[in-house]
Amino acid sequence: LAKTTQPISMDSYEGQEVNITCSHNNIATNDYITWYQQFPSQGPRFIIQGYKTKVTNEVASLFIPADRKSSTLSLPRVSLSDTAVYYCLVSPAGGFKTIFGAGTRLFVKA
Amino acid sequence: NAGVMQNPRHLVRRRGQEARLRCSPMKGHSHVYWYRQLPEEGLKFMVYLQKENIIDESGMPKERFSAEFPKEGPSILRIQQVVRGDSAAYFCASSPIDREEGYTFGSGTRLTVV
Repeated sequence: LAKTTQPISMDSYEGQEVNITCSHNNIATNDYITWYQQFPSQGPRFIIQGYKTKVTNEVASLFIPADRKSSTLSLPRVSLSDTAVYYCLVSPAGGFKTIFGAGTRLFVKA
Repeated sequence: NAGVMQNPRHLVRRRGQEARLRCSPMKGHSHVYWYRQLPEEGLKFMVYLQKENIIDESGMPKERFSAEFPKEGPSILRIQQVVRGDSAAYFCASSPIDREEGYTFGSGTRLTVV
């Protein structure tokens, strides 16, 4: 299972765009990149998943360079309610043994 | 369509007692996964079950821990003779067969062993 490295914490202000980068140097050919969000006292919530290039949905964008050794989660115009821990995961599609690291604690200020 | 339901939300047990954690997957989901989260850490996989089958329990301690997902009713994670180190948040997730959009997690059960 590929290991990931992401910043421990980040601060931002309301209305700003936030980019969280994750490194996964030993990603395998059949691995997907998935991001989850977790609020205190709740389970993780799926945000977005991608394999290469760019993926966008109603809440975020995921940018993956050609070598796939890193990925960037982009949250447009964050609000206070986006304060949470964000996990970057790398695993084969449906990989249930996915390793959750410590994640990135995003703190959005008013 | 209710999400993944876990109960109880909070559970306090004395050392040596048994803890039973329940998980009802989302409607239409046939796969259940249990994870444990210690404070300030990420989730660690414990066990993967389908109805009446344990598919992978490689993340679950060999002693005192067991899990089941019967034909009828919720999945149960059972911890016998709890110790203080078992104190953690236990999350259940479920997925349909294809798992293309990740897993749906419950709100967890916070077990405190006193």
